[in-house]
Formats: sequence, C-alpha cells, structure tokens
Amino acid sequence: EPEVTQTPSHQVTQMGQEVILRCVPISNHLYFYWYRQILGQKVEFLVSFYNNEISEKSEIFDDQFSVERPDGSNFTLKIRSTKLEDSAMYFCASSVAPPFRNTGELFFGEGSRLTVL
Amino acid sequence: AQTVTQSQPEMSVQEAETVTLSCTYDTSENNYYLFWYKQPPSRQMILVIRQEAYKQQNATENRFSVNFQKAAKSFSLKISDSQLGDTAMYFCAFEGQGGSEKLVFGKGMKLTVNP
Repeated sequence: EPEVTQTPSHQVTQMGQEVILRCVPISNHLYFYWYRQILGQKVEFLVSFYNNEISEKSEIFDDQFSVERPDGSNFTLKIRSTKLEDSAMYFCASSVAPPFRNTGELFFGEGSRLTVL
Repeated sequence: AQTVTQSQPEMSVQEAETVTLSCTYDTSENNYYLFWYKQPPSRQMILVIRQEAYKQQNATENRFSVNFQKAAKSFSLKISDSQLGDTAMYFCAFEGQGGSEKLVFGKGMKLTVNP
C-alpha cells in the first residue's frame, strides 16, 4: 500500500541553523501539507501546497519557513534559522483532493522529530 | 475560529470491551466535516472514520462508530470489541467548508488496550 515517507525521523540541530525536512507524498496525490505537534500540544496546520504554490498557510508559517516541490516527487519544508520553539514533530500529508471533498482523505507520514538546542 | 477539545488525555480498556472517546468542538459554520484519526506507536496517523455534518446518520466503520450530536457540538468515537491493535493515540479533527483546507485537531488521547 502506498505510503507517505518522511526523512529524517529525528534531527537535532543548534539554534540558528537551517533545517530541511523531506517528504515523499503518494505519487498520484495533488495536495500536500505540513502539520506540526509541539510536545503535549495540539497538532497544528502549517501550510498547504497545490499546483506548485502555497494555497493556504497559518500564522505560524512565517518568513522563516518555506516549502517547495523541487523535483516532482519530494516535498520539503525548510526552516531558515531554527528557534528553540520550533522543536516539534513535523508531519507531512498528502491527498488526492482537499479533505472536504469525498475523496479528500489525508495520508500522513510518520513524522520528523526536530529538536533545537 | 474553530476549536477541538479532547478532554481525556489517556484511557485504558480491556480487550474485547467497548470504549468511548469524547470530543467536542466549536464552530459557527453549519456545514463541516469531523474526523477521527488513529496513530499507532511509531506509525502514521490514519483516518478511522469521518462524519459530514449535514448527514444525520452516525457514521460507522466496522467496530468503529460515532455519536454525532450537532446541537451539542459533540463527536464521540465508540470502539466495540477492543483489540490490542487499537492501542494508539486518537485525534479528533474538524474541517469547515468555508474554503479552508486545513484540519483543526484536538490534543489527542492515548488509548491502551490491555490483554
């Protein structure tokens, strides 16, 4: 069964460093998402991406964050200069259609745990 | 803004028993979708069941069913005949039909099924 895969599973970085989290969505999916969960808190939406551009982003997704789909298979989240509060589990998801459509089930990856020291 | 609340952080149940996970939400929208996602240890979050707010009939998927009370803004998940493989984090989520693609999640609840 096709899966969304994420790398790395865990990354430890120093504050101020750049981090790139990678995701390989399911191949026929068109919509891509990043969510994150700070330990003990809710899973929060960061950004959605469709047709090679951001379709929606949250207030968390400031200028330090960027996403791209560089080669038609990978979907990356870059944090330019990490802060302590960026420590979280980051989940990538993909779907054939948006969740509010009948076929719009989100398929999630296992997550990438980011620890900023 | 929509909010989703899961007030029970953790529950445990004996194998073969029935357990109900609670979820409440707040929204001013009339049409929306509600979801329960399951995340087993070290595995992906997967969709368990979804409910469309305009449908009065409660959704069911095998051993999983929901009790959707629109007026009370309540959306509980009932797991019948609990199995060891049901041990997981369970997340309740909301999506409005107002054009936003984002899911609003609750904090999650850790369910442990004991043999």
